[in-house]
Amino acid sequence: DAGVTQSPTHLIKTRGQQVTLRCSPKSGHDTVSWYQQALGQGPQFIFQYYEEEERQRGNFPDRFSGHQFPNYSSELNVNALLLGDSALYLCASSLSRGIYEQYFGPGTRLTVT
Amino acid sequence: AQKVTQAQTEISVVEKEDVTLDCVYETRDTTYYLFWYKQPPSGELVFLIRRNSFDEQNEISGRYSWNFQKSTSSFNFTITASQVVDSAVYFCALSASSISNFGNEKLTFGTGTRLTIIP
Repeated sequence: DAGVTQSPTHLIKTRGQQVTLRCSPKSGHDTVSWYQQALGQGPQFIFQYYEEEERQRGNFPDRFSGHQFPNYSSELNVNALLLGDSALYLCASSLSRGIYEQYFGPGTRLTVT
Repeated sequence: AQKVTQAQTEISVVEKEDVTLDCVYETRDTTYYLFWYKQPPSGELVFLIRRNSFDEQNEISGRYSWNFQKSTSSFNFTITASQVVDSAVYFCALSASSISNFGNEKLTFGTGTRLTIIP
């Protein structure tokens, strides 16, 4: 039973560029959440997708957008990258009904230079 | 607004000692869930426990135990007879129920406690 997978593992981008991160949820899960974790900080909620729609959103600018596909996988897009976007981006999957723990992937380490 | 405070930034203990990680939370919701996650150097957050606001029973799982006290808004985590493999960053998180029917509301994390077990 595969867990949550994310790609790529590491990424280096230049300020102003755009980036796309990908996530495949744990088998059987239909909800995907994205978190940003700056160095030395706790993860911060970006948004959550269910049924291909954004269901909840945290306090992040519109430069951060996402998408969920029919197979429940998801993408996180960040436009006009800033130095401050350098962080570990974590994807978490869960079931939509009931209170279930969110299972996290290994993350994508994004460095903006 | 929800908030989780982990006042201990770093803790170091000698192997086999007991250690308690503190977590204090704030929420106006009457129904909420508390979590502990472990983040080893690999970066992946590993789920440890989930408690709901209606269940104040303490829980023990092997060397791990959790003390939930609504009166003090605390959800502390104790590792007994610590081992080097316990070295990691530990996060406490809060998820509060909203008006929606969904259960998986966003997680609000604390800033984490870096635990180092000295052999």
